[in-house]
Amino acid sequence: EDQVTQSPEALRLQEGESSSLNCSYTVSGLRGLFWYRQDPGKGPEFLFTLYSAGEEKEKERLKATLTKKESFLHITAPKPEDSATYLCAVQPLQGQDMRFGAGTRLTVKP
Amino acid sequence: KAGVTQTPRYLIKTRGQQVTLSCSPISGHRSVSWYQQTPGQGLQFLFEYFSETQRNKGNFPGRFSGRQFSNSRSEMNVSTLELGDSALYLCASSPADRPQETQYFGPGTRLLVL
Repeated sequence: EDQVTQSPEALRLQEGESSSLNCSYTVSGLRGLFWYRQDPGKGPEFLFTLYSAGEEKEKERLKATLTKKESFLHITAPKPEDSATYLCAVQPLQGQDMRFGAGTRLTVKP
Repeated sequence: KAGVTQTPRYLIKTRGQQVTLSCSPISGHRSVSWYQQTPGQGLQFLFEYFSETQRNKGNFPGRFSGRQFSNSRSEMNVSTLELGDSALYLCASSPADRPQETQYFGPGTRLLVL
């Protein structure tokens, strides 16, 4: 069965303290892997789409990477406004629905 | 481009009632998907519509249904509400020209069932 596991569940960082979030996935075939950011009470905001192992994408302080079994979201020198829940989702080759991980709740303290 | 819009934003219902939620996708997007988000289960896929046809369905009871109109706007309906249906209901749209197109989410409708 397709599965997406995110770790850690929660992460507290000091402003400027870089770290990485992990998304491990098990799918029979991968169409795409997606990263979203979600603020409390709001819908997920699209960050990145990755399609193949070795692919990397960057946006401001965020960088997403993909291997055959996992993806990392690297946060460089985070700021308090980066505090949010980060969601990973995979779209399997079979079927159209996306499978979401439970998310990593990131808190960045000033 | 305007983003995905959902109405209403908040809703309070009682057990046994039924509810209809509405979603307007980004202009030009033909695929609309619905998700339920709860603290315990996270984001769970309900169904996806493309060109007025349900293309895929998640593992939810038949009380959950939806439809899509010719202008790509979509509605979802939940009949005979249960307390466990309290959740944030999210709609997402994508161009769907390719199966792996990115989905863009609306702000959600928060449903509270009393």
